[in-house]
Amino acid sequence: GQQLNQSPQSMFIQEGEDVSMNCTSSSIFNTWLWYKQDPGEGPVLLIALYKAGELTSNGRLTAQFGTTRKDSFLNISASIPSDVGIYFCAGPNDYKLSFGAGTTVTVRA
Amino acid sequence: DAGVIQSPRHEVTEMGQEVTLRCKPISGHNSLFWYRQTMMRGLELLIYFNNNVPIDDSGMPEDRFSAKMPNASFSTLKIQPSEPRDSAVYFCASALKETQYFGPGTRLLVL
Repeated sequence: GQQLNQSPQSMFIQEGEDVSMNCTSSSIFNTWLWYKQDPGEGPVLLIALYKAGELTSNGRLTAQFGTTRKDSFLNISASIPSDVGIYFCAGPNDYKLSFGAGTTVTVRA
Repeated sequence: DAGVIQSPRHEVTEMGQEVTLRCKPISGHNSLFWYRQTMMRGLELLIYFNNNVPIDDSGMPEDRFSAKMPNASFSTLKIQPSEPRDSAVYFCASALKETQYFGPGTRLLVL
């Protein structure tokens, strides 16, 4: 599938800081998905967004579906060590998922 | 709720051997996907089943790879013969609509 542009590629953050990452596409998506992958595990769905402009929270995570339907943002508030991992955005086009390249988050204690 | 179940979690084999990876999708999901993940290429879709029928196998690398879904609760991905370049993490995912749920993966190493 088409590649989504995800940034930043990696980030080192201090425990307690807020984290922001985003994903953009040249095409419109009707759904945006955010996954987290821990080392040695499969991607785990964090948040699913189904409506343009939608803002959805899951604990310390907040994600927004951009109004243009070509972008999405994920924020993590008050980061903790277990937030370490790779975060992927994904957009479905029929049955195919296009993935961003991932944002690797490393938390400094 | 049980998520997607994959087995084995790890497999080490020698070049030329047959490898079979197994997947049990989430109950009630009608779509099943096999992916391969490598550092170089990221997540690649290998094959997609809908209602147990293969719909898109264009991602299957070559004839050495085959996948089956004999019923709604089981699928296999087979590599015969295996080669070192097949070393990767293989994920199964299932979905009811467009949101896919991934299994923990099988880490395959072909020596």
